[in-house]
Amino acid sequence: DSGVTQTPKHLITATGQRVTLRCSPRSGDLSVYWYQQSLDQGLQFLIQYYNGEERAKGNILERFSAQQFPDLHSELNLSSLELGDSALYFCASSVGRGASNEQFFGPGTRLTVL
Amino acid sequence: GQNIDQPTEMTATEGAIVQINCTYQTSGFNGLFWYQQHAGEAPTFLSYNVLDGLEEKGRFSSFLSRSKGYSYLLLKELQMKDSASYLCAVSNTGGFKTIFGAGTRLFVKA
Repeated sequence: DSGVTQTPKHLITATGQRVTLRCSPRSGDLSVYWYQQSLDQGLQFLIQYYNGEERAKGNILERFSAQQFPDLHSELNLSSLELGDSALYFCASSVGRGASNEQFFGPGTRLTVL
Repeated sequence: GQNIDQPTEMTATEGAIVQINCTYQTSGFNGLFWYQQHAGEAPTFLSYNVLDGLEEKGRFSSFLSRSKGYSYLLLKELQMKDSASYLCAVSNTGGFKTIFGAGTRLFVKA
């Protein structure tokens, strides 16, 4: 158990819908990262927040947005969902803000878009 | 741009040694991670190399050559539970990102 929690574990929805994925980092960690992992694909970095502020952005679609709240939990919002958005979405956390920090991954949310 | 290459799949025998290679091209290289990921589970940290050379941690060792843009993960005394994907990831100084390779799926057979 990494100490990072994600909810829900599974999510099934229809095209065109909007969903929110939630992540709570390990106690003491200030950075939260979001990744997308499609079937047989590597982890695609989406976005990083550090202490409430956006720190780095990867290949995140405009239909996707995220935020980190004062209590450091983070939410990833996915809208106008398409079939291709079906994937495992991982949240990770680390103590520092730099990319040299070890990241601790949550169990993931498996999103299925029908 | 950035590019990370790893073999897609490897097969090895229980008790043997296997070396998983990773080559990368990136600007502003800071360090290189190796993560292990069992199917459907979260990645877990194995190692982080910043300087050239070999770092050993139990049955796992990781090597880095910054001048060659090359790293490998060495797994000794393979066990069936080592069957997993091994992800090579590069961290950059400027972009504050960690970029992951597609991973190498290792199958350990009896």
